[in-house]
Amino acid sequence: EVQVVESGGALVQPGRSLRLSCAASGFTFNDYAMHWVRQAPGKGLEWVSGISWNSGSIGYADSVKGRFTISRDNAKNSLYLQMNTLRAEDTALYYCAKTARDGGDYYGMDVWGQGTTVTVSS
Amino acid sequence: IQLTQSPSSLSASVGDRVTITCRASQGISNYLAWYQQKPGKAPNLLIYAASTLQSGVPSRFSGSGSGTDFTLTISSLQPEDFATYYCQQLNSYPYTFGQGTKLEIK
Repeated sequence: EVQVVESGGALVQPGRSLRLSCAASGFTFNDYAMHWVRQAPGKGLEWVSGISWNSGSIGYADSVKGRFTISRDNAKNSLYLQMNTLRAEDTALYYCAKTARDGGDYYGMDVWGQGTTVTVSS
Repeated sequence: IQLTQSPSSLSASVGDRVTITCRASQGISNYLAWYQQKPGKAPNLLIYAASTLQSGVPSRFSGSGSGTDFTLTISSLQPEDFATYYCQQLNSYPYTFGQGTKLEIK
């Protein structure tokens, strides 16, 4: 079964750091770009960051640029999101998502995890 | 690139034909995907490349458009289609989603 499973969400204070992980299985992880998408409570989807299969192309939303870092370890079939200087507005459910086909993001994101919750509050 | 969906919400009945529009602030060719999200669930990919139906998605869903204007059409609403729909541009980073269209039962 093709799946991705997020972990690492927690309640953290403003200004602190957190690292999210996404474990992939059932597909050849190193063939696919991967993404993080978040959803604040009661709000819409917000694309956070994406990384190509070989980490050669990386992008960030303006709202997290300079604070968040995406990375992947193809040997471990894992995707990560290092979140620094967290703010209250980063509170959300964070999804890991797989690009639908190898070779690029053109085909959308076809496999999503169940999400991991990050709450930033004092 | 900003994406603006309309309407933000829509009430319709089973069997109705509905259309949701997504407008991009600049041209994105056909680098657009549509997703359906039900409460408490992750999004589900419906359409990619503006008009190509993802495998397993019912044929009552269709997409069209290119450049800046796109539409998602559901030809005959079924009870399971009441959900929130999002468009997403995949033309260039940062990828962005529309604000969503909530489709409710009339």
